[in-house]
Amino acid sequence: NAGVMQNPRHLVRRRGQEARLRCSPMKGHSHVYWYRQLPEEGLKFMVYLQKENIIDESGMPKERFSAEFPKEGPSILRIQQVVRGDSAAYFCASSPPDTREKLFFGSGTQLSVL
Amino acid sequence: QQQVKQSPQSLIVQKGGISIINCAYENTAFDYFPWYQQFPGKGPALLIAIRPDVSEKKEGRFTISFNKSAKQFSLHIMDSQPGDSATYFCAASISGANSKLTFGKGITLSVRP
Repeated sequence: NAGVMQNPRHLVRRRGQEARLRCSPMKGHSHVYWYRQLPEEGLKFMVYLQKENIIDESGMPKERFSAEFPKEGPSILRIQQVVRGDSAAYFCASSPPDTREKLFFGSGTQLSVL
Repeated sequence: QQQVKQSPQSLIVQKGGISIINCAYENTAFDYFPWYQQFPGKGPALLIAIRPDVSEKKEGRFTISFNKSAKQFSLHIMDSQPGDSATYFCAASISGANSKLTFGKGITLSVRP
């Protein structure tokens, strides 16, 4: 059973470009969470999604950031018009429907904005 | 306002020693307290977790001690090994509230051979 798969592992963007981060949850998992990790900081919750629904986006910046988890395909975290402050490691986690608290994390995408 | 605070910020332990990492929380509604272990270049991995109805939980060399009145919990690593060198995060969540975890800032543990 493959774990949570994130790609790309590393993403370099120039200021003003768009960044698209992908996450495929573990098989059988229907809940996806996105977290952001800055150097010397813990992980900060961004958004919680189920298939075709955003359940909680209280941690998402109001502008430029969006997330989706379509019926088919991976979850996507999209950052438009990136700025240097968006440089961080972005982690996706998934959980099974019966034990939602038990999060399994992917290896993350390291976003660098030049 | 940081809802989950870890101490110390870093820890160096000799091989075979006991590593102790502490965590304090503020929100009394939290009822699930996991510890995550993260190696460089990897995502966090669940190590052990506890709920407030027990004061201690042990899994192998890892033990969580929980003090509800003090709003604190700690991770003890017995017989620490160099392979335990990693960053450790405590976290907390509220059951039913979308299960989103609030993490501490993490501490770096180095176990010297």
